[in-house]
Amino acid sequence: GAGVSQSPSNKVTEKGKDVELRCDPISGHTALYWYRQSLGQGLEFLIYFQGNSAPDKSGLPSDRFSAERTGGSVSTLTIQRTQQEDSAVYLCASSLGWGVGLGTDTQYFGPGTRLTVL
Amino acid sequence: SQQGEEDPQALSIQEGENATMNCSYKTSINNLQWYRQNSGRGLVHLILIRSNEREKHSGRLRVTLDTSKKSSSLLITASRAADTASYFCATDFRMAANSKLTFGKGITLSVRP
Repeated sequence: GAGVSQSPSNKVTEKGKDVELRCDPISGHTALYWYRQSLGQGLEFLIYFQGNSAPDKSGLPSDRFSAERTGGSVSTLTIQRTQQEDSAVYLCASSLGWGVGLGTDTQYFGPGTRLTVL
Repeated sequence: SQQGEEDPQALSIQEGENATMNCSYKTSINNLQWYRQNSGRGLVHLILIRSNEREKHSGRLRVTLDTSKKSSSLLITASRAADTASYFCATDFRMAANSKLTFGKGITLSVRP
């Protein structure tokens, strides 16, 4: 079946512009995660959606970052007034989700969006 | 920090040799997972070991977990050039209704043909 998809695969923008990154999770997955990975670094957790619960936004680095998940499926990560330090690969992952009786979850990752802020 | 820490940071071996990578963490976990990443893009899940398990196998992969030492190891046997990638351990510190994986910074494995 289809995996997690993200678009665009690459995005180059100018400092100060807003960008939107999209994630289509695996159908039926109730949990969706956004991570950021800077060059040569590990993954930095940004935000987590689980079903209809309030999202866990504890990883968002500033109020310039926000994310939505509409209809429990597609998610959009928005970065306003981009800065050069926002340049990174943004990874989305989905999983079956908590409480489905499978214990803890395996996360399935998309290919990422490489964001470059000039 | 709850983040898992892998070591070594980089490992270079000859094809056919075994590769051992380690991960240590600081607080109690529900499970520990290993992921692989090629070319800085998406991660691929390799194996999950629960806190009540001590060892798990999947093909050429063997994972151990020692909760008393708060450490895990990933062994890749009979390595191949195609195993060249970054490997991450991720720990699940599930709190309340949230499931959040915390990733280490990764180990860069190079397998020389």
